[in-house]
Amino acid sequence: GAGVSQSPSNKVTEKGKDVELRCDPISGHTALYWYRQSLGQGLEFLIYFQGNSAPDKSGLPSDRFSAERTGGSVSTLTIQRTQQEDSAVYLCASSLAGLTDTQYFGPGTRLTVL
Amino acid sequence: AQSVTQPDIHITVSEGASLELRCNYSYGATPYLFWYVQSPGQGLQLLLKYFSGDTLVQGIKGFEAEFKRSQSSFNLRKPSVHWSDAAEYFCAVGTLFYNQGGKLIFGQGTELSVKP
Repeated sequence: GAGVSQSPSNKVTEKGKDVELRCDPISGHTALYWYRQSLGQGLEFLIYFQGNSAPDKSGLPSDRFSAERTGGSVSTLTIQRTQQEDSAVYLCASSLAGLTDTQYFGPGTRLTVL
Repeated sequence: AQSVTQPDIHITVSEGASLELRCNYSYGATPYLFWYVQSPGQGLQLLLKYFSGDTLVQGIKGFEAEFKRSQSSFNLRKPSVHWSDAAEYFCAVGTLFYNQGGKLIFGQGTELSVKP
């Protein structure tokens, strides 16, 4: 079946602009995660959605970052007023439900802030 | 705070040789442990995971890992490496949220090169 998809695959933006990154999880997966992979920080957790529960935003690095998940499916990660340090690969993952369920990762969106 | 350490940034092994990638974790309770592989241009793929029970875990592609509580380690092994195993390997510990979900805390990764 289809895996996790993310769009766009690459995004180049200018400092100060807003960007939106999209994630389509595997159908039927109630848990959705965003991670960020950068040279300096490695792989970092950003935010977690589980069903209709309030998301866990403990990994968001600043209030410029926000995410939503509509209808329990598609998720959008928004970065406002982008900075050069936001340049990274943003990865989305989904799983059936809990931590013991395998997290399936998408191919990522490479964000470059000029 | 939970953390994962992969001491080796880069390892080179000859094709056919055995492989061991090291992983040490810091976690207060019984850890949920994972190994992921990331090949160039591809997403992260789960190799294996450990939650409880038998401390030797078998995964895909001929990989196995052993959980050693006394050493806080979860090392990944493969008896005979193939050229296609060249990739970056990430060890991770899972931390539980109140609703049984959880996040993964990753190590810095070990890049594996395979010599012909």
